Amino acid sequence: EAGVAQSPRYKIIEKRQSVAFWCNPISGHATLYWYQQILGQGPKLLIQFQNNGVVDDSQLPKDRFSAERLKGVDSTLKIQPAKLEDSAVYLCASSSSSSDGALEYFGPGTRLTVL
Amino acid sequence: GQQLNQSPQSMFIQEGEDVSMNCTSSSIFNTWLWYKQDPGEGPVLLIALYKAGELTSNGRLTAQFGITRKDSFLNISASIPSDVGIYFCAGRMRFGAGTRLTVKP
Repeated sequence: EAGVAQSPRYKIIEKRQSVAFWCNPISGHATLYWYQQILGQGPKLLIQFQNNGVVDDSQLPKDRFSAERLKGVDSTLKIQPAKLEDSAVYLCASSSSSSDGALEYFGPGTRLTVL
Repeated sequence: GQQLNQSPQSMFIQEGEDVSMNCTSSSIFNTWLWYKQDPGEGPVLLIALYKAGELTSNGRLTAQFGITRKDSFLNISASIPSDVGIYFCAGRMRFGAGTRLTVKP
């Protein structure tokens, strides 16, 4: 069974530029998550989707971050414009349900460097 | 919001030693999850705990869900070099800051 796929693996941009990350979850997983992991910290949830609907985006900085999962399968996360403090690894995860304790499977992440 | 406090922040041990790390929360959790993250990779689930008092093993790993539902610990027995990595506790999509484990051969 294929795992969670993410691309690109690395991205370097200058501040104020835009960037987009892509995630393809495990086949059949209805729930998809985007996390931000700053160096030396644990992952922080940005947004949770159930199929193509948003379940939780309370920690998403909506002035510059957006995410969509239009067909309920793959998803994109966009940052526009990027700031220096956005440098982090962006992790995508998926699970078969959205219940508390659902087992999340993570992709390898996209490492973003903002100069 | 909910905070998960992990300790210790880092550990340096000799191969063959046992390791213990724990996680506490200011609020009650219904589930505790323990993950390991290797450099350049996403976290990988090690153990999931669903009931207060539950003790679960996965090979050399043992984890327990505290009776108060506000804490959990993870033990690794007879450590080996490939145990090196960062261990995270998590609950309700919130993660601790991690415990960085170094194993000296």
